[in-house]
Amino acid sequence: DTAVSQTPKYLVTQMGNDKSIKCEQNLGHDTMYWYKQDSKKFLKIMFSYNNKELIINETVPNRFSPKSPDKAHLNLHINSLELGDSAVYFCASSTFGGAAYNEQFFGPGTRLTVL
Amino acid sequence: DQQVKQNSPSLSVQEGRISILNCDYTNSMFDYFLWYKKYPAEGPTFLISISSIKDKNEDGRFTVFLNKSAKHLSLHIVPSQPGDSAVYFCAAAAGAGGTSYGKLTFGQGTILTVHP
Repeated sequence: DTAVSQTPKYLVTQMGNDKSIKCEQNLGHDTMYWYKQDSKKFLKIMFSYNNKELIINETVPNRFSPKSPDKAHLNLHINSLELGDSAVYFCASSTFGGAAYNEQFFGPGTRLTVL
Repeated sequence: DQQVKQNSPSLSVQEGRISILNCDYTNSMFDYFLWYKKYPAEGPTFLISISSIKDKNEDGRFTVFLNKSAKHLSLHIVPSQPGDSAVYFCAAAAGAGGTSYGKLTFGQGTILTVHP
């Protein structure tokens, strides 16, 4: 029944490792997003995909690579993890166009801790 | 450069009274504004929105007011209930007609606590 789901919920790893976070939505939306919530609690957009095509790519290190195998999935792969990558990562989805873009549905978040 | 700011980290209100959460923005290109509510260990949930062509939008107990000249918006919750206790995020977008492509700029949130 979960509309937007993320796995894993918690991720603890060592510096230098590579990890992935998966996101799936069953709302029939065609646009998906990744946000990062840092220690100051600001939610900042990282990427957005519409129908598997990248449409927003904020200033994010290229160690972060999103992958969208289909419009219901948007995964986030992070290479060579650094301490500063520790944060909560939220996936979200929305429908295409107009104000509906902005009314986004969020997953529960993945808390990443890099040691 | 924080384009959306919520200057009150927390707000405490008695049940039944009004809660007023405030948000300021600096980017004149913003033309669509939203409030999201977040419970612990959950993702944000969309609450209410307002386009810059309006100055007020109401949905049940929730009303959002927009003052474009002051670049200020507020969320009023009347009457407040203990279940409203959560973190409230203000967000803004430039291009309500779709040109924003869903790029939201969020404030840092205000923790609302409603006491029984």
